[in-house]
Amino acid sequence: QKEVEQNSGPLSVPEGAIASLNCTYSDRGSQSFFWYRQYSGKSPELIMFIYSNGDKEDGRFTAQLNKASQYVSLLIRDSQPSDSATYLCAVTGGYNQGGKLIFGQGTELSVKP
Amino acid sequence: GAVVSQHPSWVICKSGTSVKIECRSLDFQATTMFWYRQFPKQSLMLMATSNEGSKATYEQGVEKDKFLINHASLTLSTLTVTSAHPEDSSFYICSANTRTNRDIQYFGAGTRLSVL
Repeated sequence: QKEVEQNSGPLSVPEGAIASLNCTYSDRGSQSFFWYRQYSGKSPELIMFIYSNGDKEDGRFTAQLNKASQYVSLLIRDSQPSDSATYLCAVTGGYNQGGKLIFGQGTELSVKP
Repeated sequence: GAVVSQHPSWVICKSGTSVKIECRSLDFQATTMFWYRQFPKQSLMLMATSNEGSKATYEQGVEKDKFLINHASLTLSTLTVTSAHPEDSSFYICSANTRTNRDIQYFGAGTRLSVL
């Protein structure tokens, strides 16, 4: 069973702090890794994607990938109340999976003013 | 770019009726479209994968005769929930990927289905 695991939270951080979201995956064949943000009642919105080991930064967001540990994380710097949402980690299903994504259960983030 | 339109956004129907949901890629040709279902407080569960001109590939446990998927063109896929029952009430979301990057999925706004 190919799985993606996330801490469901809720994770609560004060405004301006760094929020750290973590994800582990079981399929070593996975090639691509994504973070989606989902506001309550809305569909997911792509935040970041990462393919290679290391860090990838985009504005206040940094994705980190460690394939040896099968671990991917998302850091949100200077957290804002508008960042309060559920963050979904998604992983491609390995070779010849036709672009299918496997989602984690999501981590609920709450940023307190 | 890469906008996916999904319609309707909300539908309420009586038990036993069928409901059709449309998913369109507005500014690109979609290699593949995906249909997901999401129950409250749960993650997205893939229902089926759809390629233009071919039969959809359904995930294990998803009834293909109940959830009919038609992918008539490179920009349009439809999901029909046949003989809907209250347990089919859920948030249905489509997504599509592009020819240039098949890994990235762009999501529609979702359709909230309530079956009375």
